[in-house]
Amino acid sequence: DAGVIQSPRHEVTEMGQEVTLRCKPISGHNSLFWYRQTMMRGLELLIYFNNNVPIDDSGMPEDRFSAKMPNASFSTLKIQPSEPRDSAVYFCASSLRPGYHEAFFGQGTRLTVV
Amino acid sequence: LAKTTQPISMDSYEGQEVNITCSHNNIATNDYITWYQQFPSQGPRFIIQGYKTKVTNEVASLFIPADRKSSTLSLPRVSLSDTAVYYCLVGETGGGNKLTFGTGTQLKVEL
Repeated sequence: DAGVIQSPRHEVTEMGQEVTLRCKPISGHNSLFWYRQTMMRGLELLIYFNNNVPIDDSGMPEDRFSAKMPNASFSTLKIQPSEPRDSAVYFCASSLRPGYHEAFFGQGTRLTVV
Repeated sequence: LAKTTQPISMDSYEGQEVNITCSHNNIATNDYITWYQQFPSQGPRFIIQGYKTKVTNEVASLFIPADRKSSTLSLPRVSLSDTAVYYCLVGETGGGNKLTFGTGTQLKVEL
């Protein structure tokens, strides 16, 4: 398996624009996580899904952020409208099953909002 | 979720053994202890997980005392490539799946 695949790797956008980050988890994995990492706040869990169902989105900073998982092999994290303070590295991770703490992370998407 | 406390940073030299201790005084009966490693510009990588006593794999050892209020990640004979941030996580493996990372320990290995 190629591991968790995220796209794009880098994204530069202007404030106010919509941004969509994509993630393909490892085949057969039933849990998916979205994280955001900055120097100031470290690695923050935004939302996680079990069996394509959002379980906990308490980490999503505001209504501008939304995440979907339409099927077991694809998830998106959307920011609309984007703001400079959203600049960060966004990671997607997947694990075999709910409660399994060995998660595999993608390479991340570095988002810069200017 | 049990809160964890780790040193912010540690320095070592190549060939030495490094021990990173994590405190988790409020660990619950069903909680497991998991450690991750993160290199710059990469996502975290699972290293090891344990519940009690000692766990060893090809990368590291994890020591957990009987009261489980702390744990120690041991890296034998570190090299420059072990320079990374190490995170300790505590949580229940069944049911809820909230993998929450703390601030981690920045390990710097020098020649």
